Amino acid sequence: EVQVVESGGGLVQPGRSLRLSCTASGFTFGDFAMSWFRQAPGKGLEWVGFIRGKRYGGTTEYAASVKGRFTISRDDSRTIAYLQMNSLKTEDTAVYYCSRFGGSPDYWGQGTLVTVSS
Amino acid sequence: DVVMTQTPLSSPVTLGQPASISCRSSQSLVHSDGDTYFNWLQQRPGQPPRLLIYKISNRFSGVPDRFSGSGAGTDFTLKISRVEAEDVGVYYCIQSSHFPWTFGKGTKVEIK
Repeated sequence: EVQVVESGGGLVQPGRSLRLSCTASGFTFGDFAMSWFRQAPGKGLEWVGFIRGKRYGGTTEYAASVKGRFTISRDDSRTIAYLQMNSLKTEDTAVYYCSRFGGSPDYWGQGTLVTVSS
Repeated sequence: DVVMTQTPLSSPVTLGQPASISCRSSQSLVHSDGDTYFNWLQQRPGQPPRLLIYKISNRFSGVPDRFSGSGAGTDFTLKISRVEAEDVGVYYCIQSSHFPWTFGKGTKVEIK
């Protein structure tokens, strides 16, 4: 059974950093791209970024709103994708979801809440 | 960026009746590889999103056949043939053909 589970969310002050993890199981992790999304309270979905599988060099793409502040990486040996979030702003407050990307964002986790507040 | 215009934003429907949601993109969603990476997601209240339809018209694993997707180029439609109580939620279109990926604003389906 394919599963992705996010962790690492919490309360953080503006300007600080936080790293989210997305732990995957049930599929050959290295063969798939992974993506991060977020949803601010009461709002719609927003794409955050994407990391290709090793076959495509593990390269990344980011939304303009996070580019230069957020970094996505992956550890294929541990089947984990990471979202490193630096210089956090109050507007980054959201539930963060990761999903496997098999041509489409197919399997989603339950999400982890990040609250940026002083 | 590709703008996804989703209509309606709210859809009150009677149980057992059909529902239809449209999504229009500001440019063609045909990828350089020839495929069109247009998808529909469902988000039930308090739940994470769930993939319903991928590449315009393909139902994802476990999705009931009352859900169907159609369209081409820039105009796409999600249809629910007979709405059931478990279909209540917000439906989003998302294009993953061009970076940055973009979503429609969502359509809230509720029971009359």
